[in-house]
Amino acid sequence: DGGITQSPKYLFRKEGQNVTLSCEQNLNHDAMYWYRQDPGQGLRLIYYSQIVNDFQKGDIAEGYSVSREKKESFPLTVTSAQKNPTAFYLCASSILTGSGNTIYFGEGSWLTVV
Amino acid sequence: QKEVEQNSGPLSVPEGAIASLNCTYSDRVSQSFFWYRQYSGKSPELIMSIYSNGDKEDGRFTAQLNKASQYVSLLIRDSQPSDSATYLCAVNPFWAGNNRKLIWGLGTSLAVNP
Repeated sequence: DGGITQSPKYLFRKEGQNVTLSCEQNLNHDAMYWYRQDPGQGLRLIYYSQIVNDFQKGDIAEGYSVSREKKESFPLTVTSAQKNPTAFYLCASSILTGSGNTIYFGEGSWLTVV
Repeated sequence: QKEVEQNSGPLSVPEGAIASLNCTYSDRVSQSFFWYRQYSGKSPELIMSIYSNGDKEDGRFTAQLNKASQYVSLLIRDSQPSDSATYLCAVNPFWAGNNRKLIWGLGTSLAVNP
């Protein structure tokens, strides 16, 4: 089945630790995204990538890093510099169609600082 | 600043009624428009996309686009309790580089009462 797989679904981070969230897609989409969603809040763009080996900062990139070494993969590292990382993280991918840039989401990863 | 605005709700409708969700956007040259449904604790899922003025129907859902007035709406006919969710409006603005970023509204919470 085609789709976007995020792992882990739940992750706990200790203060000062870096953690990496995995995102893999087999939809052959060229663009991939990371969003953050806080409870009761909207989606905020962290990073996005339109081609392999290239990515752009979104609105809240500070304290995060990404890589895009393969078309299928776009991992997100939450570094210790991110002071308030507890949130729901959503990976997405998209492809341009006649309807525009249609974005599809993975199931999300919950990150909690303990 | 380019914006997408939605009434946060909650919008409450009785089962079987028509639910009407509205979204306005500030960028007059926006190209394509999307409605997503997000259940509590889950990731957004695409309901419909629309890019031409007028109505687009898919089952119980109808998207309506009026570019002159800069609004897009979603009608849900024969509302069911399972439609209770937050509905996100997203806009693909022409100005966003090469069109791969969406601008998101904060969502409207819909409650369908049995």
